[in-house]
Amino acid sequence: NAGVTQTPKFQVLKTGQSMTLQCAQDMNHEYMSWYRQDPGMGLRLIHYSVGAGITDQGEVPNGYNVSRSTTEDFPLRLLSAAPSQTSVYFCASRPRSNEKLFFGSGTQLSVL
Amino acid sequence: GEDVEQSLFLSVREGDSSVINCTYTDSSSTYLYWYKQEPGAGLQLLTYIFSNMDMKQDQRLTVLLNKKDKHLSLRIADTQTGDSAIYFCAETGAGGSYIPTFGRGTSLIVHP
Repeated sequence: NAGVTQTPKFQVLKTGQSMTLQCAQDMNHEYMSWYRQDPGMGLRLIHYSVGAGITDQGEVPNGYNVSRSTTEDFPLRLLSAAPSQTSVYFCASRPRSNEKLFFGSGTQLSVL
Repeated sequence: GEDVEQSLFLSVREGDSSVINCTYTDSSSTYLYWYKQEPGAGLQLLTYIFSNMDMKQDQRLTVLLNKKDKHLSLRIADTQTGDSAIYFCAETGAGGSYIPTFGRGTSLIVHP
């Protein structure tokens, strides 16, 4: 198993550009989530999904969209990037009734 | 909302014990976790404890939970340079959603 795979690892955007951060897992996990990590702020939940076709907002959802058309994939879309979205983004997944989160290796995003 | 607090930095000498502390506010917490993040990587679950336990030991790691004071600690015995990382405390509340709330992380620096 590859686990949780995130692409790209690094990305630089200009303000106003759009892009999609990809996240895929091959463990048949129902729950998937996106976090952003900022210095001194820990991890903040952006969006999460408890299964295909179901998504919900986390603590900091503004400026981000998600969809969950398959169990494996949970892309995060930035519609119009802003410098405040410069951060490291982590995708995580877990089975339905299990407390252990599996994290991807992260995407470092810079918005100029 | 729920809060998880940690000190930001801890510096220890190689071979000494490290104790990382965490406090939380959610009295209905069911699981409490310690995650480790090495540079450039995602988070990995180190250990977790159920809220009805007060201690868990796993090789060099000892987790202590004081539910009355809502205080969690992670002790690393015989700390090695490879233990240098950021350690995150996290908790999940009641209700079965298993959406963890993370602290800001404690940077552990181990020097020779």
